[in-house]
Parts: sequence; structure tokens; C-alpha cells
Amino acid sequence: SQKIEQNSEALNIQEGKTATLTCNYTNYSPAYLQWYRQDPGRGPVFLLLIRENEKEKRKERLKVTFDTTLKQSLFHITASQPADSATYLCALDVKAAGNKLTFGGGTRVLVKP
Amino acid sequence: DADVTQTPRNRITKTGKRIMLECSQTKGHDRMYWYRQDPGLGLRLIYYSFDVKDINKGEISDGYSVSRQAQAKFSLSLESAIPNQTALYFCATSDRTSGGANEQFFGPGTRLTVL
Repeated sequence: SQKIEQNSEALNIQEGKTATLTCNYTNYSPAYLQWYRQDPGRGPVFLLLIRENEKEKRKERLKVTFDTTLKQSLFHITASQPADSATYLCALDVKAAGNKLTFGGGTRVLVKP
Repeated sequence: DADVTQTPRNRITKTGKRIMLECSQTKGHDRMYWYRQDPGLGLRLIYYSFDVKDINKGEISDGYSVSRQAQAKFSLSLESAIPNQTALYFCATSDRTSGGANEQFFGPGTRLTVL
């Protein structure tokens, strides 16, 4: 069966350090992979999109990698700040599935001052 | 004003009742989606609509129905609510972009409790 796995355990990190989150998938051939941020009680907010033919994408302090051989994406928050504390969701956009997103369970990040 | 709005924001109802959740958007997007979110399970797609005349079932459509009344409005109905439909419900929209990449814009969510 198709599966998207994110670490369900919260990631506790000290302010200023780099947080690294993983998103692993099986039995997909995604055209795109997206990352979203979700704060408690609010809807997810889009952060970054990376295409299957791209290895890396950056936006300010965020970096995403996409390895279609390993079937994995890594999401990095560099120089983390307490305001980065949230849940981060990865989502796959599969061409054959009509370009709709399938989400992972999310990883909660807590940045301590 | 918010681009994607959902009403109600919170609802408590009883088993067997019919419930409608409404979503409106001012983004001018063709595509609209309904998801539910349960702790640890992430977002799961219930129904989606790529235009007014196009309605498709998602991963977990049993027990739900939808209506796309206009480009800007997409409603989700629970014909006979049951307790395991207690969840956080999100509406989302996306544009019809070339190549298929579709960043989604989410509403604030509706917290539904079925007793």
C-alpha cells in the first residue's frame, strides 16, 4: 500500500541550531513534493515545493532536498528560532492520481530559547 | 478578509443528525478540496472538485457528500453523523496551473464533535 512517513515524535531543538525533518514514502512516483507549516488550531500554510527533477530548493532559512532514488525528502530549518515551533507536513503530488495531494502525519518541532 | 473561509468554526452535534459544513473562497481558484484531520493521521482527502461540474471522491468519502454550488463555494455534508466523524475539517483551494503543481490554500478549519 502507499505510505508517507514522517517522524511522529516531536523534535526538540535549541534556538540557533538546524532542525532536520524527514519524509519517507513508498509505492509513489511523485511529480512534486510540498512542505507545509501548521500552527495549533489553524490550517496548514504552504512553504516550499520541489519537483522530481530538482535535488534541492531553498527559501530564506528553509532548505528542502528530494531524493527519488531513496524515496525521501529532508526539510531543514537553519538558525532555528522559537517562532519556528509548529508542526511541519510533507505532501506528495502524484501525477497519476490527478494532481491531488497526499499528506504525511506531520512532525512537531519545538525550538527552545 | 480571509481568502478561504469556513463556517461554522466549531460544532457539537448528536449521532444521527445531518450536518453541513460550508467553505467559501475569494481567490478565484477552480479547485477545491475537503480534508479531515485526526491526531497522528495527518490530513486525509474526503472529496475534491476541479471545477463546478467535476466532483471526485477522495480517500475517505464514505459517510460524506459534497455540493459545489459555484466556483467559490464547496459544501460538505454528513448525512447521519456518527462519533468517529469527530475531527478537524479543512477546506482548501488551488489554482489550475500549468504542469499540475498546485500549492493549496487552507481555510481555518471546523472542529466537529459528534456525541
